[in-house]
Amino acid sequence: QVQLQESGPGLVKPSQTLSLTCTVSGVLIGGGNFYWSWIRQPAGKGLEWIGSIYMSGSTNYNPSLNSRVTMSLDISKNQFSLNLAYVTAADTAVFYCARVLPDCSNGRCYGRFFESWGRGARVTVSS
Amino acid sequence: QSVVTQPPSVSGTPGQSITISCSGGSSNIGDNYVYWYQHLPGAAPKLLIYRADQRPSGVPDRFSGSQSGTSASLAISGLRSEDEADYYCAVWDNNLSGSWVFGGGTKLTVL
Repeated sequence: QVQLQESGPGLVKPSQTLSLTCTVSGVLIGGGNFYWSWIRQPAGKGLEWIGSIYMSGSTNYNPSLNSRVTMSLDISKNQFSLNLAYVTAADTAVFYCARVLPDCSNGRCYGRFFESWGRGARVTVSS
Repeated sequence: QSVVTQPPSVSGTPGQSITISCSGGSSNIGDNYVYWYQHLPGAAPKLLIYRADQRPSGVPDRFSGSQSGTSASLAISGLRSEDEADYYCAVWDNNLSGSWVFGGGTKLTVL
């Protein structure tokens, strides 16, 4: 059973960099056709995809956050990380990490979906 | 504001049926399958419907999905109090280098 757990500071000052780590258990993050993603939910708002990283290390970020986001893998620790630079109060949110699986059947693939999620980490941006 | 829109809220009484719509465009719903998630307070979102109309094992058949053109919908029949949650559609958008887009979410209240 795949489990994900977010960790990191719960409070970050404006203009600083928010850093979170997702520790994965039950599967090797570099061991399959997986993407690993970060999604956030600001208070009172909906879910927003932040970005994804493939097991090869290639990344894809939300265009609205692209200039501030960096994601990385640490295969040795079975973790992946998120850095969000120059944060403001608008970045206050619950951050989720998730595994993305291909949706394939009978040799045909139809898309991908967020299959396993962490319980979320609340991060507040405030001085 | 998301490029994929959902009604902010819907409500129903136990036993009733409701539908949640998800409207997008040619670069997302018009070209890719929609996935639905149920998000209970304090919990991780849970996959409810995949590939527009498929249910993962363990999801009751009271939940069903459909997709046509640039729209999709989630239907829940025989409403139960435990269905009260936020529901999100999610879809890949082909614009630029591609990105996942979530609908704005719909809060279901069971009266």
